[in-house]
This record gives sequence, structure tokens and C-alpha cells, in this order.
Amino acid sequence: GAVVSQHPSWVICKSGTSVKIECRSLDFQATTMFWYRQFPKQSLMLMATSNEGSKATYEQGVEKDKFLINHASLTLSTLTVTSAHPEDSSFYICSADAGTEAFFGQGTRLTVV
Amino acid sequence: QQPVQSPQAVILREGEDAVINCSSSKALYSVHWYRQKHGEAPVFLMILLKGGEQKGHDKISASFNEKKQQSSLYLTASQLSYSGTYFCGTETNAGGTSYGKLTFGQGTILTVHP
Repeated sequence: GAVVSQHPSWVICKSGTSVKIECRSLDFQATTMFWYRQFPKQSLMLMATSNEGSKATYEQGVEKDKFLINHASLTLSTLTVTSAHPEDSSFYICSADAGTEAFFGQGTRLTVV
Repeated sequence: QQPVQSPQAVILREGEDAVINCSSSKALYSVHWYRQKHGEAPVFLMILLKGGEQKGHDKISASFNEKKQQSSLYLTASQLSYSGTYFCGTETNAGGTSYGKLTFGQGTILTVHP
């Protein structure tokens, strides 16, 4: 089946620094990718829709200046958490539209200390 | 609006059956089911498209009642490996053409004991 690779799997960063998370579709092209966030013991919440070649669409309540999304190619979307704070610590997961279904990356656990 | 899953949690012994329900207040285009193990990303189980279809593989199957805006996941003869949190993700009839913009239910914790 289709594979979506997310990197890194986990990252620990200091408060105030920025972290970049990559989401790659390895064997298909994805015009659209999605970024979700999952806090402990909670469900996945859609943060934004990443569109290749155009601006991302953010869900209500998600700060677009804090969570920068770039979808520069049909196989790569990146999420940059800028000026990270401890409350940004979460599990970030991407998914990619493979045309008939979506495939999820393995997730990135971000811990801000 | 988030779909509602029931039950919130279920405990089984190996070999027993379980049903997890997912209800939406909105008209649905599709329902996706995922299982998530602790600390891992969700794993895709199956997708059901509007039309009232049923699907299944091995001992896990699902149904989708478009009119009732509900889907049910059926786990028969449960195995230890079935333990995890099950999420339904719904796509509404919002005219979207992308797959994967999902609204997830709150999850159902399934625990299978020997």
C-alpha cells in the first residue's frame, strides 16, 4: 500500500525555538495533505489543509503564523512550529490524499521543555 | 461537528465480539475507521462510502447507513492484538474532492484480555 513518511518521529526542543516536521508521500503524489494534532488521551483534531503550490487552509482557532505550512512539491509538506511553548507539546500527524483514500504518517511526538 | 462514538470503552475476553458505533449530525460522504495503539499513529482499517455498503476483512467488518448517518464497526472473535483505541473519521457532503479531511470521533478504547 501507499506509504507516507513523517520525520522526525520524536523531537524535544527548548521553549522559544522552532521545529520543522516533514511529511512525505513516498510512492504517490499528493496534491493535498492534512495536518492533525492529538493531545494525550484525546482524539485527532485537524489543524490545516496543505495544498501544493498554494497557501494552506487553517481550521478555526489554529494560528497560521505559529504553525507554518509549506507544500512546495507533490510529495512533501512541512509543518514548522515557531516559537514553541510547552503547551505545543503534542502528537502531530500528517495524512496524504492518495486519490481514493488517505494514508497517515507515523506521527511526530513533540515535547517542548 | 465531531461524530459521536459509543461505547467510550469496552473490555472483552479473547474470542468475544464487540460493536463500536459512530453517529454524525451531518450528512456523510464517507466513514473511515482507524485503530491506534498507544504512542503510535492511527492505522487504517477500512473506508465506507455512501450507499450503505458493508466491508470487512478477516474478522473485522463495518457497515454504513447513509440515511441514519451512522456507521458501525464489528469485531468478531476478538484477538489480543485488537486492543487499542478505535476512531471513526467522517467526511461530510461538503462538496470536497480530497480524501483525508476527516473529523474524528472521540475514540473507543477496546481492551482484550486473555
